[in-house]
Amino acid sequence: DSGVTQTPKHLITATGQRVTLRCSPRSGDLSVYWYQQSLDQGLQFLIQYYNGEERAKGNILERFSAQQFPDLHSELNLSSLELGDSALYFCASSALGTPNTEAFFGQGTRLTVV
Amino acid sequence: AQSVAQPEDQVNVAEGNPLTVKCTYSVSGNPYLFWYVQYPNRGLQFLLKYITGDNLVKGSYGFEAEFNKSQTSFHLKKPSALVSDSALYFCAVRDQGGSQGNLIFGKGTKLSVKP
Repeated sequence: DSGVTQTPKHLITATGQRVTLRCSPRSGDLSVYWYQQSLDQGLQFLIQYYNGEERAKGNILERFSAQQFPDLHSELNLSSLELGDSALYFCASSALGTPNTEAFFGQGTRLTVV
Repeated sequence: AQSVAQPEDQVNVAEGNPLTVKCTYSVSGNPYLFWYVQYPNRGLQFLLKYITGDNLVKGSYGFEAEFNKSQTSFHLKKPSALVSDSALYFCAVRDQGGSQGNLIFGKGTKLSVKP
């Protein structure tokens, strides 16, 4: 168990809908990262938050947004969903400060858009 | 820009034989390199990392990795493979563009260990 909790584990929704994925980082970790894993694109970095502030942005669509709350949990919001958004979405967290710290991953949310 | 490459989509090994999963990297400064393993329907699990120091890094489950600066490689190794090692393996490098930096992953290598 990595200590990173993601809910829900599975989500099935229709095109055009909006969903929210939730992540609770490991105790004490200030950084949260979101990744998308699909068969054709591999693991793609979406966005990073550090102590409530956006720190880095990757290949995140404008239809997607995220935030990190004062209690450090994070939510990834996906709107106007398309079939191509079906993927495994991972949250990861790491300790503050240094780039040599490893990130710990949750078990992911599998999103299926029908 | 930082990147990693995993040249093999799949590696097949017989149980008890040594295994190697290859990774090469491209970074503009000192590399921070990581290996992760993903079992079916699971998240990524951290195996080991190279930051500085000894070129041979030991990690979880008997895995180790050899950092080679001249060849810009960070190959994952294990002396004796187990069937339970069958999984998807990812090499990653820390993107040093930001203050902490996200991990940039290779495409992954599927390891299949046969009895």
